[in-house]
Amino acid sequence: SQQGEEDPQALSIQEGENATMNCSYKTSINNLQWYRQNSGRGLVHLILIRSNEREKHSGRLRVTLDTSKKSSSLLITASRAADTASYFCATAQRGGYNKLIFGAGTRLAVHP
Amino acid sequence: DAMVIQNPRYQVTQFGKPVTLSCSQTLNHNVMYWYQQKSSQAPKLLFHYYDKDFNNEADTPDNFQSRRPNTSFCFLDIRSPGLGDAAMYLCATSREAGLASHLEQYFGPGTRLTVT
Repeated sequence: SQQGEEDPQALSIQEGENATMNCSYKTSINNLQWYRQNSGRGLVHLILIRSNEREKHSGRLRVTLDTSKKSSSLLITASRAADTASYFCATAQRGGYNKLIFGAGTRLAVHP
Repeated sequence: DAMVIQNPRYQVTQFGKPVTLSCSQTLNHNVMYWYQQKSSQAPKLLFHYYDKDFNNEADTPDNFQSRRPNTSFCFLDIRSPGLGDAAMYLCATSREAGLASHLEQYFGPGTRLTVT
């Protein structure tokens, strides 16, 4: 069964605004990762946060992790039209072999 | 540049006609994965190789097989494609898969399979 649930399913914003996407999961994890997918393309790794970390930054990206609530959020600040893509969270389960279970994704549209 | 390559990018096959999708990598990673992604859905892991060790997901249909003849190449064979197998097939690699690894996966661009 699917591990991650993401909301919103779709998000439409104007350039310059911030975009926040949320992810929830069900079981204990080793780490949580966020990936980006442009239409019809492969996935690109954005950021990884370990289960013992609470917040991580990378450029315009900020990820938080709350293991007590089994949830994570991805914030993209000062969005650009080029950020238009689908964003997926993926969890690597504790005791696993780096198997990732992906959420259904959030489709982000950033309008100029 | 080190990368994950998938060929072809688009594949059309007929119902029931075997098809093979290929993946190669120049990253020299130990682990290779195959995912199936249907439209507007999450990628779903089919199986993975850790070196030559093959690991099948419990719910992967028998219709799907895989081969890894060497570190660089991995193939996905669909023995008798059905209409429900039309999807994007994604190949990915990672350096290793240890119990405490915190490693990202590197994805190829995908092969979009159409079944007519």
